[in-house]
Amino acid sequence: EAQVTQNPRYLITVTGKKLTVTCSQNMNHEYMSWYRQDPGLGLRQIYYSMNVEVTDKGDVPEGYKVSRKEKRNFPLILESPSPNQTSLYFCASSLVLPRSSYNEQFFGPGTRLTVL
Amino acid sequence: LAKTTQPISMDSYEGQEVNITCSHNNIATNDYITWYQQFPSQGPRFIIQGYKTKVTNEVASLFIPADRKSSTLSLPRVSLSDTAVYYCLVGALDNKLIFGAGTRLAVHP
Repeated sequence: EAQVTQNPRYLITVTGKKLTVTCSQNMNHEYMSWYRQDPGLGLRQIYYSMNVEVTDKGDVPEGYKVSRKEKRNFPLILESPSPNQTSLYFCASSLVLPRSSYNEQFFGPGTRLTVL
Repeated sequence: LAKTTQPISMDSYEGQEVNITCSHNNIATNDYITWYQQFPSQGPRFIIQGYKTKVTNEVASLFIPADRKSSTLSLPRVSLSDTAVYYCLVGALDNKLIFGAGTRLAVHP
């Protein structure tokens, strides 16, 4: 089944404790990205990757890191989480770059993170 | 990147047709228009995409006038399960995707 998976789905942690949220897709997609969603603020892009070893900042990259060592995986790293990073996080992938035609984004199920 | 404007919320009843309009006055020549649906605590799901005129698939239709400054997502005969937030996306800034606030559709019995 074609899908984007994220782990963990739920995470409660404390300020300053490094964490990684994994994202994997099995569709051989070029483009992957991370979003956070907060009430009243909609979906905001954190980082995106156009291919292996190619990553770039989205609108809200502060406090986050990513890596793209393999095409299928795009982990989101919070080196020192803070309470303002409490949010619902989504990973997404698409076959082609967003500027291309028919750039359907496939989203993962989400990771609800709480930083105390 | 074209800025989009959608109604914040809409209400409808089961069995009715719902039309959600998105304004995008600054759409670029090569921009496509894409609509997503999102249920609470789930990731958005692609509904439909178009460039001009009309596009129809098994769940919705997308109407785009000749000037392409707006688009209308049409959901035929909605049911309670169509209650969701609907996002209109137009183009991409470099390779960033920017979601607006979306339209919260509530379908009532």
